[in-house]
Amino acid sequence: KQEVTQIPAALSVPEGENLVLNCSFTDSAIYNLQWFRQDPGKGLTSLLLIQSSQREQTSGRLNASLDKSSGRSTLYIAASQPGDSATYLCAVTGSARQLTFGSGTQLTVLP
Amino acid sequence: EAGVTQSPTHLIKTRGQQATLRCSPISGHTSVYWYQQALGLGLQFLLWYDEGEERNRGNFPPRFSGRQFPNYSSELNVNALELEDSALYLCASSFQGGSAGNTIYFGEGSWLTVV
Repeated sequence: KQEVTQIPAALSVPEGENLVLNCSFTDSAIYNLQWFRQDPGKGLTSLLLIQSSQREQTSGRLNASLDKSSGRSTLYIAASQPGDSATYLCAVTGSARQLTFGSGTQLTVLP
Repeated sequence: EAGVTQSPTHLIKTRGQQATLRCSPISGHTSVYWYQQALGLGLQFLLWYDEGEERNRGNFPPRFSGRQFPNYSSELNVNALELEDSALYLCASSFQGGSAGNTIYFGEGSWLTVV
């Protein structure tokens, strides 16, 4: 059974700092990995999708990497802003197109 | 272009009643997924529908059921509601569920409270 772990569970940084969120998964037989953002009480916003054959994806200040063999992904956020404060979730797509989510990292960027 | 839309936004039901939640996928998407986000339990996969057929279901009892209509919209039904069914129910959609490489887009969710 696939298990996804995210470290740290919570992170507080001052504005402008670069930061890294970590995600690990136990079964490397995945189709892809997605990073999502969730604001309190809201749905999920897709940030980046990395296919299993890719090593990284970039969108603006966000960069996500994937090392499928070691079961790890990182989300790098450059020059963090207070508007980046949210919970960040990673999820892997396994067999039968089922997404397995981590428990998330709650990020707070202090002005 | 409209995103994934869900209704109702909030729903309060009494234990033992039935709840029906609705989802409209992004135009052109044929796959619809349902997830439950209960407090402290994270996001749990419920159901996947593609082209009107149930393709996969998560580890939930049979009182959680649903369907997908010819226009690809979907309904989630929860029968014999229990207090622990209180959660945010999220619907998501994607192109061609048979292709695993597509981004999945989520709606804003429906809050179900069982009292």
